[in-house]
Parts: sequence; structure tokens; C-alpha cells
Amino acid sequence: RKEVEQDPGPFNVPEGATVAFNCTYSNSASQSFFWYRQDCRKEPKLLMSVYSSGNEDGRFTAQLNRASQYISLLIRDSKLSDSATYLCVVNNNNNDMRFGAGTRLTVKP
Amino acid sequence: EAGVAQSPRYKIIEKRQSVAFWCNPISGHATLYWYQQILGQGPKLLIQFQNNGVVDDSQLPKDRFSAERLKGVDSTLKIQPAKLEDSAVYLCASSPGQKGYEQYFGPGTRLTVT
Repeated sequence: RKEVEQDPGPFNVPEGATVAFNCTYSNSASQSFFWYRQDCRKEPKLLMSVYSSGNEDGRFTAQLNRASQYISLLIRDSKLSDSATYLCVVNNNNNDMRFGAGTRLTVKP
Repeated sequence: EAGVAQSPRYKIIEKRQSVAFWCNPISGHATLYWYQQILGQGPKLLIQFQNNGVVDDSQLPKDRFSAERLKGVDSTLKIQPAKLEDSAVYLCASSPGQKGYEQYFGPGTRLTVT
């Protein structure tokens, strides 16, 4: 089993749609969690951290379920500019950052 | 504020040749990471430095890869000799600290081994 698993997609959605991505992790001792965004042929950039209580940033909502060891990202009112690969990142107890393979999203007009 | 700088941006070499990549982190960032990202996969951590000391190099293929961070600032990653499967983007990232901090990535070096 991979340490961090994501549905690779691709997710093809129309503008304005709501889309959700899930990510599961295997290390129950993991301490912090992030979603990064990576555009084609570009470097990853932090989208948002994921807090235990869940957090929201505009159209983006992240949630953490420690009991089930999964993280989710919800994007509401999708924009064309949201098209990218979304990487789930898990930080283990010894600060070992593990990236998922990413979920590819394409938002179409 | 200047971001993470990497060079070269692209490199093409033949298998069994050697190659080196350079990274200059954001000023004041104590932690520096090197990742390997193969096409279609997420970044894989190769090595992590805290100042000039190695924190984690468990996934670094030490028979051919080496890295150093002299003086706790710039870092170099070397591959000697290169194999075809080393073709990837090599990303350098830095962060102010270790636990729970955002990582800032450089543009990467795209390596093609022929």
C-alpha cells in the first residue's frame, strides 16, 4: 500500500461545478497535512494547510478525518484557472514529507 | 522576496555521465529539500537538510547520488553515473523550519538521460 494515495483522475468538470478529491494515508502518526497545486511543467505551490477542525479558504474547503486517515479537498464554483494537478502531502512525525501522485483536474467552459 | 533558485533549468546527458544541480534557498530558510519528480508521479523526497546537517536521506540512492549543503545555504545534488531511470525533474524546496511549515519550491531542473 502506498503511503499517500490519491485518485489520479482526470476529473473533467464544467465551469461552476463542485468537485471533491480524497486522499488516504497509511501512517497513523502523521501530524500535518497539506494540499499543493501544481500547474503543468511548473513547481508545486501550497494551496492550503489542513487542520483537524477543517478549514475553508474562499471556494476551497479542506477536511481531515484522522480516524479513517483521509483528507479531502472540495472546490466550489470551479473556474477555468482551477485546472491543475492537486497534490496531497502528509508530514510524518519525523518531518518526512510524503506526496501523493496527484489528482488532475480540468475545468471546461 | 526572491524565491528558490535552481540551475540549470534543463540538462540532457548520456547514461553513465555525471551531472550536478545547484539550489539557492530563500534567505534565512534553515531547511532545504531535494525531490525527484518522475513524469506522472508526485515528488519523492531524496534528502532533507537542516542548516548544513542531513536530517533524512533514507530515499537517496547513495551508490550514485550525493548532496551537500556547505555553510548551510546553497546546496548541490550530484548523480554519478546517471541511468536512464534518473530522467525526471529535480525540485529543490526550502522552508523556515521543519515541522508543519510551508515548503517553497524552485522551478526545478529537468534532466533527460539518453
